[in-house]
Amino acid sequence: EAGVAQSPRYKIIEKRQSVAFWCNPISGHATLYWYQQILGQGPKLLIQFQNNGVVDDSQLPKDRFSAERLKGVDSTLKIQPAKLEDSAVYLCASSARTEAFFGQGTRLTVV
Amino acid sequence: AQSVTQPDIHITVSEGASLELRCNYSYGATPYLFWYVQSPGQGLQLLLKYFSGDTLVQGIKGFEAEFKRSQSSFNLRKPSVHWSDAAEYFCAVAANTGTASKLTFGTGTRLQVTL
Repeated sequence: EAGVAQSPRYKIIEKRQSVAFWCNPISGHATLYWYQQILGQGPKLLIQFQNNGVVDDSQLPKDRFSAERLKGVDSTLKIQPAKLEDSAVYLCASSARTEAFFGQGTRLTVV
Repeated sequence: AQSVTQPDIHITVSEGASLELRCNYSYGATPYLFWYVQSPGQGLQLLLKYFSGDTLVQGIKGFEAEFKRSQSSFNLRKPSVHWSDAAEYFCAVAANTGTASKLTFGTGTRLQVTL
C-alpha cells in the first residue's frame, strides 16, 4: 500500500513569511497527526485529527500555526508568520488503530 | 502526563557486536510502548511495539525489546549489529486507551557502527 505522502520535502523561507505543508495519509486511516521535530530532539505532537475533527491541539501555537483536514483525508499545516525557532522537520503520520505510519517529512529552514 | 527518557544520546558499537539502547518511561498504568528508527532524511519506521502479553517483543531487522514494569523500562536489543543499523532510534509511549493515541517520544539515541 502507498505510504504517507508529504510535500514539499524542503522549504527555505525568511522570517515573517508564511508557509504551508501538505499531507496525504494512507487510504482509510481515520487519524492524522502533525509532529514537529527540532534538530536533536524527538518529534513533538502539534495536532491530532480524527476524520476531520480536531482531537488534540494543545501543543499547537495557535497564534501562528493552523491546520485543517478537508473531508477527513488530506491535511495542510500553515505557519504565518514564521519565526527562526520554527526551523524543524514537520512530520505527518496516520493511523487506523494504534500504529502510526510516518511520512518522510518536510524540512523547514527559516532564515 | 506520560514521558520518555533515553539516557544515551550517542552510542558507538563495532559491527557484529551486541547492542542495547535504554528507554525509561513514566506513565500511571501500563502504556503502549514503541521503538522507531529514523535514517537521515527519512521518516520514522516502526521497529516493534508492546501493548500487552509477553514482555519480550520481537521486531523487524532482528531487533527485540523487553518490557520491565518494575523498572519502567523498555530497552531495545540486537545480538549482532550491521553497518546498515546506523541511524537514530526513538522510544515512544502512548496512552493505553485501546484506540489511536498520540505518541510521546524520547530525545533519541544516535547509533554509530564502526567497521
